[in-house]
This record gives sequence, C-alpha cells and structure tokens, in this order.
Amino acid sequence: DIQMTQSPPSLSASLGDKVTITCQASQNINKYIAWYQQKPGKAPRQLIRYTSTLVSGTPSRFSGSGSGRDYSFSISNVESEDIASYYCLQYDNLLTFGSGTKLEIK
Amino acid sequence: EVQLVESGGGLVQPGRSMKLSCAASGFTFSNYGMAWVRQAPTKGLEWVATISYDGSSTYYRDSVKGRFTISRDNAKSTLYLQMNSLRSEDTATYYCTRGDRYWGQGVMVTVSS
Repeated sequence: DIQMTQSPPSLSASLGDKVTITCQASQNINKYIAWYQQKPGKAPRQLIRYTSTLVSGTPSRFSGSGSGRDYSFSISNVESEDIASYYCLQYDNLLTFGSGTKLEIK
Repeated sequence: EVQLVESGGGLVQPGRSMKLSCAASGFTFSNYGMAWVRQAPTKGLEWVATISYDGSSTYYRDSVKGRFTISRDNAKSTLYLQMNSLRSEDTATYYCTRGDRYWGQGVMVTVSS
C-alpha cells in the first residue's frame, strides 16, 4: 500500500501570505496526485488533479507541483475564504489520502 | 449536472449490519470506477473501497476486508456498500465518489449501543 506523508498538520497565515503544503509518497506515484479543500460539514472539493492541473472553477492563486515521490501545493495571496482543511490524494494505485492540513488565518 | 446522493445511514448497534446506497445521475455510470471514502468525526479522509466500472474488480482497506462489500447496479446507476459486523471505529460520514471532482454530500453512520 502507498503511504502519503503530509505536512504541516496546521498552518497559520496572514491574509495575502503564500503558504505551501507538502506530500511525500512512499513510492513513485507518477504525478497522480490531487489536492482537495474541505470546509466543516461539507464534502471535499477537488482543486487540483494530476499534480498541477487546476480543476474548473479553482482560483489561479492555487497551484501544485512535483514529481516522483515529492509534491507540493501552494496558495498565494491567501484569502479569508481559504480557511479550510486541505488533503492530498494519490490515485496511482487505489486511493490514499494525506493526513490533512488545517489552514487558519492569523 | 453530475449528482451523487447517498442514503441508508443512521444509528446501528455494534455487530449489526447496514447497507449504504449512492444514486448517481448526470453521467454514464457504467463507464466509471467508483469508491467509498469515510471520515470519522474530527478526523481525516480515509479510503474504504473501490469497484471497477463493470463490478468485476473490488478492493478494500485492510480494516474492512471480510466485513464490507462494495457492489454496483449499472442498470440502476447505483453504488452500494454492505457493512457487516460493524464496530465503533466504523463511525463516520461515508462519501461515495467517482474518485475525481464528484462526491456525494455524505451520510453519517453511527455505531453505538
């Protein structure tokens, strides 16, 4: 089974900051990683698929990069509506989620 | 518009069974593999099971193998999750998903005496 190590568990940022979340897979996942945003009481919303492809409707301040085992997700110019938890998901072999990152505003 | 609507959740005693359903619409259901993902209260997302587009292949996380069964009825565009021998640690919101941007709204399953 593929394991996904996501960090940090939490982030505190000021409005307008850039924040970055990382996920490391236990093996090469061939760029098959997606990033999700989840707000309390809601289903996850996919923001990025295949490492860096923005899903329709995702603001351009969100971005993703990486290859092999190492991937990152960034939000530039953090806005108040970005307060949420974020998860990575590998879908190269079945599905494995990262442990999540909770973003708070300072 | 793609829609996934789960049903069948609720309160169940430990050791008992429950069956979840997920009605799909807005896309050709028989063309897609489907999955169940769960989230325990205040915890992260956890993959539960996956089924291939035609139902010929199924996959489970270790903790539910032998207890849960994922299935589908392509004629009815419906995904199922039969959960037997339920444990308190199965308490969670269960989501059906196409594995991409489309998720249901989730259904709560509480296992408690």
